[in-house]
Amino acid sequence: DVVMTQSPDSLAVSLGERATINCKSSQSLLYSFNNKNYVAWYQQKPGQPPKLLIHWASIRESGVPDRFSGSGSGTDFTLTIYNLQAEDAAVYYCQQYFITPPWTFGQGTKVEIK
Amino acid sequence: EVQLVESGGGLVQPGGSLRLSCAASGFTFNIYEMNWVRQAPGKGLEWVAHITTTGETRYYADSVKGRFTISRDNAKNSVYLEMNSLRGDDSAMYYCARPRGRLWPFDYWGQGTLVTVSS
Repeated sequence: DVVMTQSPDSLAVSLGERATINCKSSQSLLYSFNNKNYVAWYQQKPGQPPKLLIHWASIRESGVPDRFSGSGSGTDFTLTIYNLQAEDAAVYYCQQYFITPPWTFGQGTKVEIK
Repeated sequence: EVQLVESGGGLVQPGGSLRLSCAASGFTFNIYEMNWVRQAPGKGLEWVAHITTTGETRYYADSVKGRFTISRDNAKNSVYLEMNSLRGDDSAMYYCARPRGRLWPFDYWGQGTLVTVSS
């Protein structure tokens, strides 16, 4: 099974600053046939289901603010939140959907406002 | 508008059974694969089960294999999770989740139904 390991487990960032979350997979998630990385990022706020933010490691879903940016390839991925807003306080999860089953998630990173 | 509405959760004793349902609307249900994902209180997300469009192929997490069964009724636009031999570590919010297609992440999630296994 592909293990997804996020770091840090939590971070506190001031409003307007940048939050950086890392995700490392135990196997490469790059499909050489189309050069796409099968990694997604989700945001989950208390009492709500997860919301898909990014797929293919860097493609934002429709309606997701452009301050959310995904990057990385192979086994190392990053979600960066620029100009952090109060509404961005949440738990963020990475997920791989390439080597399945199982579909595996990182353990989550809690972003708090400092 | 795509909607996934779970139901059937509740309090059950260890060793007991429960059947969860997920009613789908707003999209052509029979062309989408479906999943169940769970989240224990204060914990992360754990994929539980997957079913293909016709129900011909089903996958399970090792933690539930042999105890849980996923099924679907395309005529009723619904997917189900039959849970047997329930244990305390099965206590969680159970979400129904739909991927956009094969090799896509889960773009729609229900609000979840809470399962508590306790005596």
